[in-house]
Amino acid sequence: AQSVTQPDIHITVSEGASLELRCNYSYGATPYLFWYVQSPGQGLQLLLKYFSGDTLVQGIKGFEAEFKRSQSSFNLRKPSVHWSDAAEYFCAVGAGGYQKVTFGTGTKLQVIP
Amino acid sequence: GAVVSQHPSRVICKSGTSVKIECRSLDFQATTMFWYRQFPKKSLMLMATSNEGSKATYEQGVEKDKFLINHASLTLSTLTVTSAHPEDSSFYICSARDREGWNTEAFFGQGTRLTVV
Repeated sequence: AQSVTQPDIHITVSEGASLELRCNYSYGATPYLFWYVQSPGQGLQLLLKYFSGDTLVQGIKGFEAEFKRSQSSFNLRKPSVHWSDAAEYFCAVGAGGYQKVTFGTGTKLQVIP
Repeated sequence: GAVVSQHPSRVICKSGTSVKIECRSLDFQATTMFWYRQFPKKSLMLMATSNEGSKATYEQGVEKDKFLINHASLTLSTLTVTSAHPEDSSFYICSARDREGWNTEAFFGQGTRLTVV
């Protein structure tokens, strides 16, 4: 069975600083990987996904993620964080694309001035 | 992206009563809807998958008689928590997609916080 680990429950960064959120997955076959963001009172919004091809994927809002098969990781990055990026971020793995998606426990991002 | 709306966003109910949560696709017809549950400090767990006009498929360990899912139309799915107890208190979230296929994105509602007292 697939699983996802997000080791950081809570992260605080200063506005303008760079950000990296960690994600490790466990899946026997080629993984389909996602990052979602959830702002308070909002549904989960897809930031980016990796299905195949280039291991560095670009998403919305200036986010990117890199798939590293050797490390079973799919870390999310942003070079310069904005206050509006404060939210909860979920990494997820799908058994077949968007089918049977398993989510991590989430990382709550706080942005300080 | 497409819009999925859940109602209510928060609900408090007494132990032993039932509560219904609605999930609507506002600008597309949802052939498939998914229901998830999130325990505190735990990940979102898929509870069931519902297809319009047919019975929902529940994940292992989810009580189908306790969590009744109805997907009677292409824009509405409901989750009814029957005879709710405090351990059912959780965050429930739905997602919906407009067609089958591994490559079809599912869009999420904003979730419902259920508290059973």
